[in-house]
Amino acid sequence: LAKTTQPISMDSYEGQEVNITCSHNNIATNDYITWYQQFPSQGPRFIIQGYKTKVTNEVASLFIPADRKSSTLSLPRVSLSDTAVYYCLVARGGFGAGTRLTVKP
Amino acid sequence: GAVVSQHPSWVICKSGTSVKIECRSLDFQATTMFWYRQFPKQSLMLMATSNEGSKATYEQGVEKDKFLINHASLTLSTLTVTSAHPEDSSFYICSASTGALGNEQFFGPGTRLTVL
Repeated sequence: LAKTTQPISMDSYEGQEVNITCSHNNIATNDYITWYQQFPSQGPRFIIQGYKTKVTNEVASLFIPADRKSSTLSLPRVSLSDTAVYYCLVARGGFGAGTRLTVKP
Repeated sequence: GAVVSQHPSWVICKSGTSVKIECRSLDFQATTMFWYRQFPKQSLMLMATSNEGSKATYEQGVEKDKFLINHASLTLSTLTVTSAHPEDSSFYICSASTGALGNEQFFGPGTRLTVL
């Protein structure tokens, strides 16, 4: 399993853009990078997935450099409801510690 | 689409009893299902991976005789916690994957187990 490293916590304010970076130095050639959001006492919710370069959907963007050893989740204009734990996953089953994002008013 | 359900959402049982948790993929066929355990303020810990019709593969340190996993169909997997003890109290989460490119996992809402 590819180990992932993320900042333990981040603080932001409403309306700001938040970027969370995940390191995955041992990513395998066929591994995709997937980001999940989790609220307390709920299962993780899919945010975005990518393999290389940039992916964008209605809620986030994912930036992946050419060497794929890291990835950055970008959340535009966060709101209080975005306060949650965010995980990046690069191989089946291997969740890291996640990043606890706190959005303040 | 891609909805995964779990039942029950919470359960309280006495020490020494067994508890079964069901995980269902409602609108897709899941070739692989995963079972996780999550303690308060901690990350998800993978317990086992199961493929339909095959025996589950357990992670190191997870007792296969205590946590029985059955994946009898492409839409149902069950986790049975046998002879539960208070230390087994946790949040159990399942996920399902179609095996398609990207191997995206779709997660269930979780089951809160409390063993008295």
